[in-house]
Amino acid sequence: NAGVTQTPKFQVLKTGQSMTLQCAQDMNHEYMSWYRQDPGMGLRLIHYSVGAGITDQGEVPNGYNVSRSTTEDFPLRLLSAAPSQTSVYFCASSYRSRGAEQFFGPGTRLTVL
Amino acid sequence: AQRVTQPEKLLSVFKGAPVELKCNYSYSGSPELFWYVQYSRQRLQLLLRHISRESIKGFTADLNKGETSFHLKKPFAQEEDSAMYYCALSDSWGKLQFGAGTQVVVTP
Repeated sequence: NAGVTQTPKFQVLKTGQSMTLQCAQDMNHEYMSWYRQDPGMGLRLIHYSVGAGITDQGEVPNGYNVSRSTTEDFPLRLLSAAPSQTSVYFCASSYRSRGAEQFFGPGTRLTVL
Repeated sequence: AQRVTQPEKLLSVFKGAPVELKCNYSYSGSPELFWYVQYSRQRLQLLLRHISRESIKGFTADLNKGETSFHLKKPFAQEEDSAMYYCALSDSWGKLQFGAGTQVVVTP
């Protein structure tokens, strides 16, 4: 089991560029989510999905898009990168249950110049 | 509104000393609370959850509904406990709300 995988590990973008952060899990988890981690702010939820074809916004969704065409994959798209999106991005997955443990990917460190 | 507060950004303790990380929450329903930990160069992982009432790596956390707190405690800190700790609250759908995190540094 690879668990939750994320690519790339590092990325540098210029303002206005677009890109997709990849996330995949092989645990057949229904629930997947994207967080950004910023110093002093903890992890903030960007978007989440409770199953294939179902996505919803989290706390900080502006500037990001997601889709969930399969159970395994949950890519995060930055439409037009801004310096405020410089952050570490984490993908997580879990069974769809309130008390379930969330399993996290290794993170993607994104810098927008 | 749902909220998780970790008042300490940094906690520095000596090896062998007790350590307590504070977590307060606000939630209108019955809370589900967790502590997650991130060791250096490792991914975020679950440390413990209140429903399990277990001790992991010597850490315990008790849910106090009257004080709306879920403080994390360990009687004797070890150097390998140095990490970033996050308190998290799950809503009825399973979404996690994280606190800002507390960096723990254990010095020998």
